[in-house]
Amino acid sequence: QLQLQESGPGLVKPSETLSLSCTVSGGSINTRVYYWGWIRQPPGKGLEWIGSIYYSGSTYYNPSLKSRVTIFVDTSKNQFSLNLTSVTAADTAVYYCARHGGAYTGQFDYWGQGTLVTVSS
Amino acid sequence: QSVLGQPPSASGTPGQRVTISCSGSRFNIGSNYVYWYQQLPGTAPKLLIYRNDQRPSGVPDRFSGSKSGTSASLAISGLRSEDEANYYCAAWDDSLSGSVVFGGGTKLTVL
Repeated sequence: QLQLQESGPGLVKPSETLSLSCTVSGGSINTRVYYWGWIRQPPGKGLEWIGSIYYSGSTYYNPSLKSRVTIFVDTSKNQFSLNLTSVTAADTAVYYCARHGGAYTGQFDYWGQGTLVTVSS
Repeated sequence: QSVLGQPPSASGTPGQRVTISCSGSRFNIGSNYVYWYQQLPGTAPKLLIYRNDQRPSGVPDRFSGSKSGTSASLAISGLRSEDEANYYCAAWDDSLSGSVVFGGGTKLTVL
């Protein structure tokens, strides 16, 4: 059974960089079928897609966040990671990693449990 | 404001059939598949419907999806108390440089 697990700091200061990793177990990230994505959910609000990455390193991002987002993959660790720069309180959210059914789809079929990141001084 | 429009709330009594709508445009629902997610309190979203009307293994056939033009619907029949959750629709959006877009979510209450 495929499992995803987010890890990283739960508290980030304003203007700093939020960094999270997602470790995939029970399957290889080196799959030609799927992408791997990040989605976030501010407390009490809806879901927002951040971006996704292919095992080769090809990425695509939400245009509204693109200037601040970098997603990269480490196939040797079966892991992919998120950097979000210049954070503000508006970036406070539960961050989920998920397996993305492919470019140009809205399908996320396996999700991590999510990790709350709070932006505060 | 979300790109896909959903009613903020819906309700029904046990055994009833309820539907949740999702409205979009020619750039998203009108030209791409629709997906539905169920999010129980305090948990990660779960894929409920993919490619408009397909159910992943393990999802009861009480859940069904449909799409017409630039709108989609999720129907839940034989409503049960454990169906009380937030439901989100999602689709790929072809406008600008492309993006996955979600609806704002519908909170379903089982009375």
